[in-house]
Amino acid sequence: RKEVEQDPGPFNVPEGATVAFNCTYSNSASQSFFWYRQDCRKEPKLLMSVYSSGNEDGRFTAQLNRASQYISLLIRDSKLSDSATYLCVVNSVTGFQKLVFGTGTRLLVSP
Amino acid sequence: NAGVTQTPKFQVLKTGQSMTLQCAQDMNHEYMSWYRQDPGMGLRLIHYSVGAGITDQGEVPNGYNVSRSTTEDFPLRLLSAAPSQTSVYFCASRSPGQPAGEQYFGPGTRLTVT
Repeated sequence: RKEVEQDPGPFNVPEGATVAFNCTYSNSASQSFFWYRQDCRKEPKLLMSVYSSGNEDGRFTAQLNRASQYISLLIRDSKLSDSATYLCVVNSVTGFQKLVFGTGTRLLVSP
Repeated sequence: NAGVTQTPKFQVLKTGQSMTLQCAQDMNHEYMSWYRQDPGMGLRLIHYSVGAGITDQGEVPNGYNVSRSTTEDFPLRLLSAAPSQTSVYFCASRSPGQPAGEQYFGPGTRLTVT
C-alpha cells in the first residue's frame, strides 16, 4: 500500500461547482499535512497547510481526519484557473523532513 | 526576489555523460533539497542540505552527488547518466523556521537521457 494515496482523476467540473478531493495516508505517526498545486509542466506551489482544526483560505477549505487517516480539500465556486493537479504532502516524522508526496489529483474546470 | 532558480530548463544527455544541474535561491534559506518527479510517482527526495557544508542523502541518491559551498547554491551532479535518470528535477528551499512541508520550488529541469 502506498504511504499516501490520491485519486488521480481527472475530476471534470463546470465553473461554479464545488469539488472535493481526499488523500489517505497510512502512517498514523504522520505529523503535518499540506496541499500543493501544480500546473502543467510547472513547479509545485504550496496551496495551504492543513491544521488539526481545519482551515479555510477563500474558496479553499482543508480538513484533517486523524481517526480515518485522510485529509481533504474542498474548492467552492470553481474557476477555470483552478484547473491543475493537486498534490497531497504528508510529513511523517519530525526532524529535517520525511515528506511523502502523493501522485496528485487532476482537476479540469470547464466553462 | 527571484526565488529559486534552476538551469538549464531542458537537457538531453547521452548515456554515460555527466552534467551539473544548477540551483540557486536568494531568500537566504538554509535548507535546500533536490527532488525528481516521474510519471505515476510522487516527488522523491534525492539529496538535501541543512546549511553550507552539510549535505545528506534522501530516498533515491544513487547516481547523484551534491555539494553546498554557499547558502545560495546547491548544484546536483549526475556522474554517469543513465536512461533511468530521465525525469523532471526540482530544487526546493525553505528556512528552518518553516514547517517541513512549506517549501519553495524552482521551475524544474527536464532531463532526457538517451
